[in-house]
Parts: sequence; structure tokens; C-alpha cells
Amino acid sequence: DAKTTQPPSMDCAEGRAANLPCNHSTISGNEYVYWYRQIHSQGPQYIIHGLKNNETNEMASLIITEDRKSSTLILPHATLRDTAVYYCIVRVDLMDSNYQLIWGAGTKLIIKP
Amino acid sequence: NAGVTQTPKFRILKIGQSMTLQCTQDMNHNYMYWYRQDPGMGLKLIYYSVGAGITDKGEVPNGYNVSRSTTEDFPLRLELAAPSQTSVYFCASTPWEAKNIQYFGAGTRLSVL
Repeated sequence: DAKTTQPPSMDCAEGRAANLPCNHSTISGNEYVYWYRQIHSQGPQYIIHGLKNNETNEMASLIITEDRKSSTLILPHATLRDTAVYYCIVRVDLMDSNYQLIWGAGTKLIIKP
Repeated sequence: NAGVTQTPKFRILKIGQSMTLQCTQDMNHNYMYWYRQDPGMGLKLIYYSVGAGITDKGEVPNGYNVSRSTTEDFPLRLELAAPSQTSVYFCASTPWEAKNIQYFGAGTRLSVL
């Protein structure tokens, strides 16, 4: 079962920051939060991940609350090409040094001109 | 590099037929995964492999089989197709040295009628 809850859809104006929230209130202390996105009819694309600290890369920033029960993905200057479904995911470690990603239903982000 | 290649892109099966979904990656990645994605939902893990000759079940393995005879190939076999297997199937791979990022193929859309 999904460990994350996200709003089903959001709009954002082009050029503005898009802030996508995610609740993961049952997350365990060693479980990472990942974000992927899926542009229509394509395979998912990795964006960013984190455990406790805030993270930033060339695509986005990830803000995780101190209690780790929620997080926010920030796309600083959204473009029309950022229109996609964004998935907030919890990573669960497996016995054989591998892991499983537990996907939620995602947020459909629509960037408007 | 082609990345992760899945074939076919689309397929329609009759109930009870069998087929193999092909997945090939040319990045020499150790880890490979098969997911299914039902409409409006996140991905669910079917099977995964940590290297040639090693496979293990994911969250929803029933009705599927896999093999991993080479590093490059990770085919997914459907025996006795059922309408419940109508879905979009994604293959992904990850290198040992950067396990945090999964690289996805474009998917195979399967309908069982």
C-alpha cells in the first residue's frame, strides 16, 4: 500500500515556483523520500531524493519537515515542459542490499502560460 | 546509448494467451526491475534482479515469470493472460555505484481481452 498522499492535481503559472506537497506520516526513520515525474506516455524520470536534510539539484529542491511527516518538492521556475505527473515515493530497503520504491498516485501538475 | 529499450510498445492478447515482454539495457547496469502501472495509479513492482542469474519477487508477482541470463536482458513472461493484467509495463535499471536513480524504458501497453 502507498505510504504517501498527494493532491491529485495542481496548476502553476509559467515562470513561477511550483510547490508540490506530500504527506508521509507513517515513514520510518531510515526510509528515504524520492520524487519522480512522468511526462505523458513516457517512462518515469528521477528528480531528487532525501532522508532528513533539505536537498537541491539542477532540477529541483526538496524540503523535508523536521518530523519527516511531510515534504515539498519545489520547481523554482516552472516551464511548460514541466507539465507532468509528479510522484512522491518512499524507499523501503530489502534484505539483499536492494530496495523497493512504494509509489503513490501522484499529483498532475499543469503549467499554464 | 539507447538506454533501456522495451519491446513491443503495444500488444493486444486474448485471455489465456502467453507472451514475453522484452527489456534490454546497454548501460551495464546490475539492477533491473519490472513494474506495472494501472490507470491513474503509481507503479507497482513485479520482479527485480540484482544481477545475472538472480531474480526475486516484488509486490505483485502472481501471473508473471522472469529470467536474467545476461546483464543486458530481463524478459518478463506472462503465462495464461488475464484481463487483470491489462496495464502499462515499465522496465528500469540501476547501476551498482548509483543505486538511487532508476532509468526507465518507454513502456509496453498491454490489453488482455
